[in-house]
Amino acid sequence: EPEVTQTPSHQVTQMGQEVILRCVPISNHLYFYWYRQILGQKVEFLVSFYNNEISEKSEIFDDQFSVERPDGSNFTLKIRSTKLEDSAMYFCASSEVRPDQPQHFGDGTRLSIL
Amino acid sequence: GESVGLHLPTLSVQEGDNSIINCAYSNSASDYFIWYKQESGKGPQFIIDIRSNMDKRQGQRVTVLLNKTVKHLSLQIAATQPGDSAVYFCAESILTGGGNKLTFGTGTQLKVEL
Repeated sequence: EPEVTQTPSHQVTQMGQEVILRCVPISNHLYFYWYRQILGQKVEFLVSFYNNEISEKSEIFDDQFSVERPDGSNFTLKIRSTKLEDSAMYFCASSEVRPDQPQHFGDGTRLSIL
Repeated sequence: GESVGLHLPTLSVQEGDNSIINCAYSNSASDYFIWYKQESGKGPQFIIDIRSNMDKRQGQRVTVLLNKTVKHLSLQIAATQPGDSAVYFCAESILTGGGNKLTFGTGTQLKVEL
Protein backbone atom coordinates (compact mmCIF):
# COMPACT_ATOMS: atom_id res chain seq x y z
CA GLU A 1 0.00 0.00 0.00
CA PRO A 2 1.41 3.42 -0.92
CA GLU A 3 2.48 5.56 1.99
CA VAL A 4 3.76 9.00 2.90
CA THR A 5 7.43 8.94 3.87
CA GLN A 6 9.22 11.53 5.97
CA THR A 7 12.89 12.18 6.60
CA PRO A 8 14.68 12.43 8.90
CA SER A 9 12.86 10.58 11.66
CA HIS A 10 14.62 12.73 14.26
CA GLN A 11 16.29 16.11 13.79
CA VAL A 12 18.27 17.86 16.50
CA THR A 13 19.07 21.51 15.81
CA GLN A 14 20.51 24.45 17.70
CA MET A 15 18.14 27.33 18.37
CA GLY A 16 18.36 29.94 15.64
CA GLN A 17 19.40 27.47 12.97
CA GLU A 18 17.45 26.67 9.84
CA VAL A 19 15.89 23.25 9.45
CA ILE A 20 14.27 21.53 6.49
CA LEU A 21 11.89 18.63 6.98
CA ARG A 22 11.26 16.44 3.98
CA CYS A 23 8.26 14.47 2.82
CA VAL A 24 7.43 12.29 -0.14
CA PRO A 25 3.63 12.26 -0.51
CA ILE A 26 1.68 9.42 -2.10
CA SER A 27 2.34 9.63 -5.82
CA ASN A 28 -1.15 10.31 -7.19
CA HIS A 29 -2.08 12.77 -4.44
CA LEU A 30 -2.30 16.45 -5.23
CA TYR A 31 -3.03 18.03 -1.83
CA PHE A 32 -0.25 18.24 0.70
CA TYR A 33 -0.28 19.26 4.35
CA TRP A 34 1.93 19.83 7.34
CA TYR A 35 0.74 19.34 10.92
CA ARG A 36 2.60 19.38 14.17
CA GLN A 37 2.07 17.76 17.54
CA ILE A 38 3.75 19.17 20.61
CA LEU A 39 4.35 16.45 23.19
CA GLY A 40 1.12 15.65 25.02
CA GLN A 41 -0.99 18.01 22.92
CA LYS A 42 -3.32 17.82 19.95
CA VAL A 43 -2.26 17.49 16.36
CA GLU A 44 -2.38 21.03 14.94
CA PHE A 45 -2.79 22.12 11.33
CA LEU A 46 0.02 24.24 9.90
CA VAL A 47 -0.48 24.57 6.17
CA SER A 48 -2.09 23.06 3.09
CA PHE A 49 -0.62 23.19 -0.40
CA TYR A 50 -2.12 22.62 -3.82
CA ASN A 51 -1.11 23.43 -7.35
CA ASN A 52 2.22 24.87 -6.20
CA GLU A 53 0.77 27.35 -3.79
CA ILE A 54 -0.42 27.56 -0.22
CA SER A 55 -4.19 27.11 -0.03
CA GLU A 56 -4.56 27.69 3.71
CA LYS A 57 -2.30 28.30 6.70
CA SER A 58 -2.78 28.60 10.43
CA GLU A 59 -1.63 31.29 12.84
CA ILE A 60 1.28 29.05 13.77
CA PHE A 61 2.61 29.22 10.23
CA ASP A 62 4.29 32.61 10.48
CA ASP A 63 7.06 34.18 8.41
CA GLN A 64 9.61 31.75 9.83
CA PHE A 65 7.89 28.88 8.05
CA SER A 66 7.83 28.10 4.35
CA VAL A 67 6.86 25.15 2.19
CA GLU A 68 8.07 24.08 -1.19
CA ARG A 69 7.59 21.37 -3.75
CA PRO A 70 11.05 21.49 -5.31
CA ASP A 71 10.45 18.63 -7.73
CA GLY A 72 7.75 16.16 -8.70
CA SER A 73 8.01 14.04 -5.58
CA ASN A 74 9.23 15.99 -2.54
CA PHE A 75 7.36 18.39 -0.29
CA THR A 76 9.40 20.31 2.26
CA LEU A 77 8.80 22.40 5.36
CA LYS A 78 11.49 24.93 6.22
CA ILE A 79 11.81 26.73 9.53
CA ARG A 80 14.16 29.62 8.99
CA SER A 81 15.28 30.43 12.54
CA THR A 82 14.19 27.77 14.98
CA LYS A 83 12.94 28.52 18.47
CA LEU A 84 12.71 26.26 21.49
CA GLU A 85 8.94 26.15 21.13
CA ASP A 86 9.27 24.66 17.64
CA SER A 87 10.20 21.37 19.26
CA ALA A 88 7.46 18.94 18.23
CA MET A 89 6.56 16.04 15.96
CA TYR A 90 5.93 17.30 12.45
CA PHE A 91 3.61 15.25 10.28
CA CYS A 92 3.22 15.47 6.55
CA ALA A 93 -0.02 14.33 4.94
CA SER A 94 -1.41 14.06 1.45
CA SER A 95 -4.79 13.45 -0.12
CA GLU A 96 -6.40 12.96 -3.49
CA VAL A 97 -7.98 15.71 -5.54
CA ARG A 98 -11.47 15.37 -4.14
CA PRO A 99 -11.71 17.23 -0.80
CA ASP A 100 -13.75 14.44 0.81
CA GLN A 101 -10.91 11.98 0.49
CA PRO A 102 -9.03 11.20 3.72
CA GLN A 103 -5.61 12.57 4.42
CA HIS A 104 -2.88 9.98 4.83
CA PHE A 105 -0.07 10.76 7.22
CA GLY A 106 3.60 9.93 7.41
CA ASP A 107 5.24 8.74 10.62
CA GLY A 108 6.59 12.19 11.35
CA THR A 109 9.86 13.91 12.10
CA ARG A 110 10.69 14.57 15.70
CA LEU A 111 12.28 18.02 15.85
CA SER A 112 14.30 18.82 18.95
CA ILE A 113 15.58 22.36 19.39
CA LEU A 114 18.44 22.82 21.85
CA GLY B 1 -13.27 29.31 19.43
CA GLU B 2 -14.45 26.12 17.77
CA SER B 3 -12.96 22.91 19.13
CA VAL B 4 -13.14 19.17 18.94
CA GLY B 5 -12.81 17.26 22.18
CA LEU B 6 -12.93 13.72 23.48
CA HIS B 7 -14.94 12.74 26.54
CA LEU B 8 -12.58 10.10 27.96
CA PRO B 9 -8.81 10.25 27.92
CA THR B 10 -8.34 6.50 28.64
CA LEU B 11 -10.54 3.52 27.85
CA SER B 12 -9.71 0.01 29.05
CA VAL B 13 -11.52 -2.98 27.55
CA GLN B 14 -11.17 -6.73 27.69
CA GLU B 15 -9.99 -8.52 24.59
CA GLY B 16 -13.00 -9.62 22.58
CA ASP B 17 -15.31 -6.95 23.95
CA ASN B 18 -16.63 -4.08 21.89
CA SER B 19 -15.11 -0.62 22.35
CA ILE B 20 -16.86 2.70 21.99
CA ILE B 21 -14.83 5.86 21.73
CA ASN B 22 -16.68 9.16 21.84
CA CYS B 23 -16.01 12.60 20.48
CA ALA B 24 -17.81 15.92 20.78
CA TYR B 25 -17.43 18.60 18.18
CA SER B 26 -18.55 22.18 18.42
CA ASN B 27 -18.34 23.55 14.89
CA SER B 28 -21.79 23.05 13.42
CA ALA B 29 -20.41 23.96 10.00
CA SER B 30 -18.18 20.87 9.93
CA ASP B 31 -19.34 18.39 7.33
CA TYR B 32 -16.61 15.77 7.20
CA PHE B 33 -15.27 13.69 10.06
CA ILE B 34 -12.44 11.20 10.30
CA TRP B 35 -11.18 8.77 12.90
CA TYR B 36 -7.46 8.12 13.13
CA LYS B 37 -5.47 5.59 15.11
CA GLN B 38 -2.00 6.51 16.34
CA GLU B 39 0.39 3.90 17.63
CA SER B 40 3.48 4.84 19.55
CA GLY B 41 6.14 6.36 17.30
CA LYS B 42 3.91 6.43 14.24
CA GLY B 43 1.75 8.93 12.45
CA PRO B 44 -2.06 9.01 12.50
CA GLN B 45 -3.46 6.08 10.54
CA PHE B 46 -6.78 6.53 8.76
CA ILE B 47 -9.54 4.27 10.08
CA ILE B 48 -12.86 5.50 8.75
CA ASP B 49 -14.58 8.70 7.67
CA ILE B 50 -18.11 9.98 7.40
CA ARG B 51 -19.81 12.92 5.74
CA SER B 52 -22.48 14.94 7.46
CA ASN B 53 -25.20 13.64 5.14
CA MET B 54 -24.80 10.21 6.76
CA ASP B 55 -25.58 8.95 10.27
CA LYS B 56 -23.63 5.72 10.17
CA ARG B 57 -20.86 4.12 8.23
CA GLN B 58 -19.36 0.69 8.64
CA GLY B 59 -15.94 -0.66 7.86
CA GLN B 60 -14.13 -3.81 8.78
CA ARG B 61 -14.84 -4.27 12.53
CA VAL B 62 -15.40 -0.53 12.90
CA THR B 63 -18.50 1.63 12.77
CA VAL B 64 -18.71 5.39 12.98
CA LEU B 65 -21.91 7.04 14.17
CA LEU B 66 -22.67 10.70 13.69
CA ASN B 67 -25.32 12.57 15.63
CA LYS B 68 -25.50 16.07 14.22
CA THR B 69 -28.25 17.13 16.62
CA VAL B 70 -25.95 16.89 19.62
CA LYS B 71 -22.70 17.24 17.66
CA HIS B 72 -21.45 13.84 18.69
CA LEU B 73 -19.29 11.30 16.92
CA SER B 74 -18.44 7.79 18.05
CA LEU B 75 -16.19 5.00 16.91
CA GLN B 76 -17.23 1.45 17.66
CA ILE B 77 -14.68 -1.33 17.42
CA ALA B 78 -16.08 -4.86 17.43
CA ALA B 79 -14.24 -7.74 19.10
CA THR B 80 -11.39 -5.55 20.27
CA GLN B 81 -7.95 -7.08 19.81
CA PRO B 82 -4.59 -6.32 21.46
CA GLY B 83 -3.48 -4.73 18.20
CA ASP B 84 -6.20 -2.13 18.63
CA SER B 85 -4.34 -0.61 21.57
CA ALA B 86 -3.46 2.92 20.51
CA VAL B 87 -4.55 6.53 20.80
CA TYR B 88 -7.64 7.33 18.76
CA PHE B 89 -8.31 10.81 17.42
CA CYS B 90 -11.39 12.23 15.85
CA ALA B 91 -10.94 15.08 13.41
CA GLU B 92 -13.36 17.42 11.74
CA SER B 93 -13.23 19.61 8.69
CA ILE B 94 -15.26 21.80 6.41
CA LEU B 95 -15.08 20.58 2.84
CA THR B 96 -13.94 23.22 0.43
CA GLY B 97 -12.61 23.13 -3.07
CA GLY B 98 -9.07 23.56 -1.86
CA GLY B 99 -8.40 20.65 0.45
CA ASN B 100 -9.70 20.27 3.94
CA LYS B 101 -7.91 21.50 7.05
CA LEU B 102 -8.39 18.97 9.84
CA THR B 103 -9.10 20.02 13.42
CA PHE B 104 -8.12 17.21 15.76
CA GLY B 105 -9.48 16.25 19.14
CA THR B 106 -7.26 15.54 22.13
CA GLY B 107 -7.25 11.76 21.71
CA THR B 108 -8.40 8.70 23.69
CA GLN B 109 -5.97 6.03 24.79
CA LEU B 110 -7.49 2.61 24.21
CA LYS B 111 -5.96 -0.18 26.31
CA VAL B 112 -6.90 -3.76 25.55
CA GLU B 113 -6.52 -6.12 28.46
CA LEU B 114 -5.92 -9.82 27.89
